[in-house]
Amino acid sequence: DTAVSQTPKYLVTQMGNDKSIKCEQNLGHDTMYWYKQDSKKFLKIMFSYNNKELIINETVPNRFSPKSPDKAHLNLHINSLELGDSAVYFCASSQWQGRDGYTFGSGTRLTVV
Amino acid sequence: AQSVSQHNHHVILSEAASLELGCNYSYGGTVNLFWYVQYPGQHLQLLLKYFSGDPLVKGIKGFEAEFIKSKFSFNLRKPSVQWSDTAEYFCAVNEGYGQNFVFGPGTRLSVLP
Repeated sequence: DTAVSQTPKYLVTQMGNDKSIKCEQNLGHDTMYWYKQDSKKFLKIMFSYNNKELIINETVPNRFSPKSPDKAHLNLHINSLELGDSAVYFCASSQWQGRDGYTFGSGTRLTVV
Repeated sequence: AQSVSQHNHHVILSEAASLELGCNYSYGGTVNLFWYVQYPGQHLQLLLKYFSGDPLVKGIKGFEAEFIKSKFSFNLRKPSVQWSDTAEYFCAVNEGYGQNFVFGPGTRLSVLP
């Protein structure tokens, strides 16, 4: 009965590889997000989708491509991984405009070696 | 663009001490305010939120926060901390009709037994 679930929880991969992180929410929320948390715990939004439509697309390398097949899923695909991509990636969801706050997934710790 | 600042990077307290974590934001319009907690190795969980009304809001686990509009502040308080409160605490601001949460840089709280 997990509200926002991400897979995998841990991901270790070599530079240059392509990887995907999946996210699903069963809360009936309209909007989903991807956040990156760096080694200093700083949280930065990457993307936001509302009903499968891209709403926020922050300054993120175009190696990162979100895909939302339906409003309950928001996947993150990363091409040509670099060392600097190592971080924890959090998926989140909310009702439109986020007034009730976000519900976060448990995070995916990505390590690029 | 709005920003969120948290005064303390790392706070160290003994059990039973009182806690106050500072949070200030820069946006001058209507805002929704939140505090999130991230326990070691876990995802962010909502502690409390403010939309309107009574500026003193109570959250889970004995936490409360006070919104002072004139000071653009939303400080988090707890009268008596426990070792289990050791975590990272994030203040977040959502513009009244915006989709984007802006998180503060976080404050690490270490409670010594």
